[in-house]
Amino acid sequence: IAGITQAPTSQILAAGRRMTLRCTQDMRHNAMYWYRQDLGLGLRLIHYSNTAGTTGKGEVPDGYSVSRANTDDFPLTLASAVPSQTSVYFCASSELAGSGELFFGEGSRLTVL
Amino acid sequence: GQNIDQPTEMTATEGAIVQINCTYQTSGFNGLFWYQQHAGEAPTFLSYNVLDGLEEKGRFSSFLSRSKGYSYLLLKELQMKDSASYLCAARNSGNTPLVFGKGTRLSVIA
Repeated sequence: IAGITQAPTSQILAAGRRMTLRCTQDMRHNAMYWYRQDLGLGLRLIHYSNTAGTTGKGEVPDGYSVSRANTDDFPLTLASAVPSQTSVYFCASSELAGSGELFFGEGSRLTVL
Repeated sequence: GQNIDQPTEMTATEGAIVQINCTYQTSGFNGLFWYQQHAGEAPTFLSYNVLDGLEEKGRFSSFLSRSKGYSYLLLKELQMKDSASYLCAARNSGNTPLVFGKGTRLSVIA
């Protein structure tokens, strides 16, 4: 089934550890996004990429990095995890940059202890 | 800056009609989107308005007033499966990503 695949689905991580959340799409969409969702705060944009080879910062980029080496993959890295990064992370894509119709992955639940 | 406001929670009765409001303040506004998110699942796209007026899609309709910075999502003939969070999101001009409101959790009761 075409769509977006995120891995891992769930992870418990010790503070200070490095972690990469993987995101792959097979729809050949140009734009990809990483959001985090926290109770009471809604979806907040971390980083985005309008096309392969480019990235941009969202509302809450600190502590996170991304890369977009090709169209399909958009990994999110936490260089040194902290407890405040405990959240549900959603990867999304859209056919064109700036499009409002986003397709979301199933999410990655991350707990940092 | 951008600001999107919607009620935190709403409760409605099965078979009834409910209206979820959203107000927004953005620069370079270029469209208002509604997403549905069931508990523990990913958001899914529901509707899109860029011009003033009502867009109808089955039991769901969405309205936009650009001059008032206001939108609503109207759900008719409510069903238990409509219990979910409804996310309002605004798009600005250019290639900037969507900005989401905090979502409205709707509970449909018998």
